[in-house]
Amino acid sequence: NAGVMQNPRHLVRRRGQEARLRCSPMKGHSHVYWYRQLPEEGLKFMVYLQKENIIDESGMPKERFSAEFPKEGPSILRIQQVVRGDSAAYFCASSPSMTDNQPQHFGDGTRLSIL
Amino acid sequence: SQKIEQNSEALNIQEGKTATLTCNYTNYSPAYLQWYRQDPGRGPVFLLLIRENEKEKRKERLKVTFDTTLKQSLFHITASQPADSATYLCALVGGSQGNLIFGKGTKLSVKP
Repeated sequence: NAGVMQNPRHLVRRRGQEARLRCSPMKGHSHVYWYRQLPEEGLKFMVYLQKENIIDESGMPKERFSAEFPKEGPSILRIQQVVRGDSAAYFCASSPSMTDNQPQHFGDGTRLSIL
Repeated sequence: SQKIEQNSEALNIQEGKTATLTCNYTNYSPAYLQWYRQDPGRGPVFLLLIRENEKEKRKERLKVTFDTTLKQSLFHITASQPADSATYLCALVGGSQGNLIFGKGTKLSVKP
């Protein structure tokens, strides 16, 4: 399966802990996007990365959230000191280039639950 | 600010009928509009992309229209089947960097 792989599929954390979400893009894709989907809400853009670079993080909260896409390995979305409001489904998408006529290929998400 | 609205949260139709879903946008002049399907517990799956100079695009039983004057796209599924039951999302590129702005989606239920 050469699709976008996200893990873990489900993650449970207690308030104050750290959450690390991983995303491996499709083979040959060097552009990664992270989105958050809250219950009863639409998908909201968080951050856009290329290999080793953050291109646009305008949708990501300034505090506690960070993202990286190293030269080797998956993209990581990191949430420090989680709070109840961080409970959501986090989706990663990839594309081969940055043009607005390219569809994005999504993984099946990580469902984060904060106790 | 840019806004996308899918004005039906849910749509129930009978098998064999045509489903029509609506997507309206404001404060935006997109060159492209995309439609995705999302099943429960899964990520969105790309269906169709339509350009601003295309009035209509078809793929099997799917048809999308794009009216830049009305700022509206319509998504049609003809001869609908229970397997078409899912949430359908429209999306526009939000900025110069390619991130997508999504509508909240319309949940389609096709009854046998």
